[in-house]
Amino acid sequence: QSALTQPRSVSGSPGQSVTISCTGTSSDVGDYDYVSWYLQHPGKAPKLMIYDVAKRPSGVPDRFSGSKSGNTASLTISGLQAEDEADYYCSSYAGSYTLVFGGGTKLTVL
Amino acid sequence: EVQLLESGGGLVQPGGSLRLSCAASGFTFSSYAMSWVRQAPGKGLEWVSGISGSGGGTYYADTLKGRFTISRDNSKNTLYLQMNSLRADDTAVYYCAKPTNTLVVLNAFDIWGQGTMVTVSS
Repeated sequence: QSALTQPRSVSGSPGQSVTISCTGTSSDVGDYDYVSWYLQHPGKAPKLMIYDVAKRPSGVPDRFSGSKSGNTASLTISGLQAEDEADYYCSSYAGSYTLVFGGGTKLTVL
Repeated sequence: EVQLLESGGGLVQPGGSLRLSCAASGFTFSSYAMSWVRQAPGKGLEWVSGISGSGGGTYYADTLKGRFTISRDNSKNTLYLQMNSLRADDTAVYYCAKPTNTLVVLNAFDIWGQGTMVTVSS
């Protein structure tokens, strides 16, 4: 159950797009379409932004989109806004009733 | 309103035990698998344990090595995590989390509690 690999940080200016990658293995990200993305503001509980690779829960803006290719999943945020600044985590089902998270990516809106 | 409310955290000495609770409301608790996820100070999220809706299936992260036990009381709409042989690296905020639907045990979590802090220190 090794953690999924995410970049430590990414940044972008308001209105721009950013993409956060999440790299796993053929035993987790590559084997299941059960990748999720969470946003977490400091001191708050995580908030689900994307599930099943590319589905958005009700209320999540369509500026947030997800995709997957092979062992790597990606979260793209378009039209960056100041309130998007947060930590982002990916997760994936890893088989045998286990779940693995990524190490987290800090998004800075310049 | 769907809500999860954790309790039971606190300061405990290394080697000690603690039981966390998570009170659920606003949804049919027994229909959903539930999980515990923790976050050490300044660190990322770590899935700890999950349990099926009936309680008949329990699942753990390999790193726990049998020290933690998850359980639930569907008559009380409450999830538990019994933590034994606690170590300093168990220090974290512990969240309970509900999955998006009743069909999966471990996938996306759309509802999280506010978390309860566990500090293991002498």
